[in-house]
Amino acid sequence: DADVTQTPRNRITKTGKRIMLECSQTKGHDRMYWYRQDPGLGLRLIYYSFDVKDINKGEISDGYSVSRQAQAKFSLSLESAIPNQTALYFCATPPGELFFGEGSRLTVL
Amino acid sequence: SQQGEEDPQALSIQEGENATMNCSYKTSINNLQWYRQNSGRGLVHLILIRSNEREKHSGRLRVTLDTSKKSSSLLITASRAADTASYFCATDFLGSGANSKLTFGKGITLSVRP
Repeated sequence: DADVTQTPRNRITKTGKRIMLECSQTKGHDRMYWYRQDPGLGLRLIYYSFDVKDINKGEISDGYSVSRQAQAKFSLSLESAIPNQTALYFCATPPGELFFGEGSRLTVL
Repeated sequence: SQQGEEDPQALSIQEGENATMNCSYKTSINNLQWYRQNSGRGLVHLILIRSNEREKHSGRLRVTLDTSKKSSSLLITASRAADTASYFCATDFLGSGANSKLTFGKGITLSVRP
C-alpha cells in the first residue's frame, strides 16, 4: 500500500464550484504538506501542517483552505474554483525527506 | 525568492553517458535534497546532503555540495533510458526547522536516448 494516498486522481470541474482534494498517510507522521505543480514553475507550497492543531500558510495560499481532520488526513479545498487553479496537486509527508502522493490533476473550465 | 534554481533546464544525452545537473540557491541551508519525477507521477526522493557534508553517493548517483558557492550538483553515471525524468532540487533553509518548508526548483528535464 502507498504511504501517501490522494483522491481524486483526476477531476474536471467548472468555475465557481467547490472542490476538495483529500490526502491520507499510513505512517503516523505529524507533518503534512500540500504543493501545487505548474509547468515551468516547479512545486510551490500551498499549506502545511505540523500537527492537527497547527496549520500554516505556504507561498500561495490565497484561494485555498485546508483541514487536518486527523493525524492521517489533510484535505485541500478550493471554495470557488477558477481556471488558473488548473494544476497538478501533491500531498507530501516527512520524515527526513518528503514522501509524495501520486498527485491530483485538477482542471477548472 | 529562496527557491533553488536548476541548470540546465533540459538535458539530452546518449545512454551510457554521464548526466550532470546543477542547483544554486540563495540563503544558508540545513540540507539540500534531489527528487525525481516521472511524467505525471509523484516525486520520489533520491538523496539528501546536509550542510556539513561535501559529497554523497547512492548507487549511480553522486551529489556534491559547495556551501561557499551555494550550489550543488547531481551526477548520474552510466545513464540508462529509464533515467529519463524530471529532476528537482529542494532546499531546507536554515531557521525553517527540520524539513518544515522544503522549497523546490523548477526542475531539469533529462532525456536519455537509447
